[in-house]
Amino acid sequence: QVQLQESGPGLVKPSETLSLTCTVSGGSISRYYWNWIRQPAGKGLEWIGRIYTSGRTNDNTSLKSRVTMSIDTSKNQFSLKLSSVTAADTAVYYCARGGENCGGDCFDYWGQGTLVTVSS
Amino acid sequence: DIQMTQSPSTLSASVGDRVSITCRASQSIRSWLAWYQQKPGKAPKLLISDASTLESGVPSRFSGSGSGTEFTLTISSLQPDDFATYYCQQYNSYSWTFGQGTKVEIK
Repeated sequence: QVQLQESGPGLVKPSETLSLTCTVSGGSISRYYWNWIRQPAGKGLEWIGRIYTSGRTNDNTSLKSRVTMSIDTSKNQFSLKLSSVTAADTAVYYCARGGENCGGDCFDYWGQGTLVTVSS
Repeated sequence: DIQMTQSPSTLSASVGDRVSITCRASQSIRSWLAWYQQKPGKAPKLLISDASTLESGVPSRFSGSGSGTEFTLTISSLQPDDFATYYCQQYNSYSWTFGQGTKVEIK
């Protein structure tokens, strides 16, 4: 059974960079898309972006190029950096696998989520 | 970006009821739509992809239909475990976007 686990600081200061890592276990990281999705408290879901095992990325244009993603197949990990954060970036951040039944474009396995708060 | 609008925002129903949730896209997304179930404090769970393909292990009381701009998630006989928030997601074109959610409450 594939499992994903997010890790990283729970508190980030405004204007700094949010950094999260997702560790994949129970399956290979190869040949899948790996995604980041966030959810502010009491609100809906927002797709942040994805990375393929080749390193190719796609991200949400609304985040205005603040997103950097990377992948380390030797460690079965992928990472997110979101720069110049503000209070509006406070949310639960999820990592998720691109689904097999939808060509990688939906999300079939999810991490439990990690709350990141932006505050001084 | 494609806007996804779900209705209703909240739905009150009883165990055994047949319930339907609608998701409308601001432009055609063909059949590139997924449905998720989310319970409080938990990650979403994928129920349906490609508008109508049930994921493995998802009960057959869940079904999806539609294409183009209008889609429906139907639960044929609501069970206690089904009280949750449901989201649609389009993957026709970047950036992938979600509906705002429909909360299914106990009546």
